[in-house]
Amino acid sequence: GNSVTQMEGPVTLSEEAFLTINCTYTATGYPSLFWYVQYPGEGLQLLLKATKADDKGSNKGFEATYRKETTSFHLEKGSVQVSDSAVYFCALRGYGGSQGNLIFGKGTKLSVKP
Amino acid sequence: DADVTQTPRNRITKTGKRIMLECSQTKGHDRMYWYRQDPGLGLRLIYYSFDVKDINKGEISDGYSVSRQAQAKFSLSLESAIPNQTALYFCATSDLSRNEQFFGPGTRLTVL
Repeated sequence: GNSVTQMEGPVTLSEEAFLTINCTYTATGYPSLFWYVQYPGEGLQLLLKATKADDKGSNKGFEATYRKETTSFHLEKGSVQVSDSAVYFCALRGYGGSQGNLIFGKGTKLSVKP
Repeated sequence: DADVTQTPRNRITKTGKRIMLECSQTKGHDRMYWYRQDPGLGLRLIYYSFDVKDINKGEISDGYSVSRQAQAKFSLSLESAIPNQTALYFCATSDLSRNEQFFGPGTRLTVL
């Protein structure tokens, strides 16, 4: 079945450092891919998405490119801020019925120090 | 006002008690979901509902039941709570495209 694997955390960076959080997936066909972010004490919210191969999702300085050849959707940001401290979840959605539900990775906690 | 609300936000209960967690939404979405979040395990789907008359089990439905009272309301019940049901519970909604889910703020449940 479908699955998502993302790098384990926690990840601790200094402000203005470069961020990469790796995400790979296993799925049949062409799933849609998502990154969700959970700030402390809050629910998840959509950060960015890509619905087909080679699409790049971007938002708030974060980017991720849908790479079908490597089944990956790595999250990147060129210069992180303290306010980016959160837990980041990679997710995929297949097609139809229960396959159309989101499958989440285990989450990666990011802490950014001033 | 928040689009997806959950009550209570925190609950401490004892083993064997019946607990109901409630979720309401004002987004007008047909699809609603209940997830459980545990440290190191991410989010796991408990139940989902595509409309008032359609309720489906998710990955980890054992020990849980749900009720979809109206398009806007979806409740999760623990008939007889046990300690390993201690977790953070999230309700979410989506439209037909399911391209984005909107999450409530969560309910932190502790079963002693």
